[in-house]
Amino acid sequence: GQNIDQPTEMTATEGAIVQINCTYQTSGFNGLFWYQQHAGEAPTFLSYNVLDGLEEKGRFSSFLSRSKGYSYLLLKELQMKDSASYLCAVSDSNYQLIWGAGTKLIIKP
Amino acid sequence: GAVVSQHPSRVICKSGTSVKIECRSLDFQATTMFWYRQFPKQSLMLMATSNEGSKATYEQGVEKDKFLINHASLTLSTLTVTSAHPEDSSFYICSARVVGHDYEQYFGPGTRLTVT
Repeated sequence: GQNIDQPTEMTATEGAIVQINCTYQTSGFNGLFWYQQHAGEAPTFLSYNVLDGLEEKGRFSSFLSRSKGYSYLLLKELQMKDSASYLCAVSDSNYQLIWGAGTKLIIKP
Repeated sequence: GAVVSQHPSRVICKSGTSVKIECRSLDFQATTMFWYRQFPKQSLMLMATSNEGSKATYEQGVEKDKFLINHASLTLSTLTVTSAHPEDSSFYICSARVVGHDYEQYFGPGTRLTVT
């Protein structure tokens, strides 16, 4: 079967760095996405990785290792507004998104 | 670019009535649109994949006669929740795939449905 695993909840301090991991097992792979979702809102796109390595975009970076079925989202210089759920999703062989359950990130002052 | 709108953003209806939710791609054509449902504190659950001009493909466990999907044009898909019940109360989100860009999906802002 297809499976995406990510931690349920994480807590970090404002100004710090946090890494959210995602492991996956899917039928085929056409890229991995990270989305941010604030409570009561739709997801917003953060990053897309299809090749191995690190993609940096401002305070957010995303890493992919296809051989390990592993990705992480790295958030630097955390701000209170970064408190949200972070969803990992993999595009399978049919370009259908397989979603993880999401990681709720709590930022403390 | 790549903006998706949904209407209405919130709707409250009585049990037994039907509700229609519209999903529009405002500045691009979408051959494929997706309908998701999200219950509180849970992840997105794909309900169905909607292709322009053809019947929608429903995920296992989703009643096609209850959740009617019409993808009449390259910019509009509608989801009708028929004979709604309180357990249908949820956050419904659509997304659209850009023609020629199979890896990109853009999400609408979602519709909060409350059935009383």
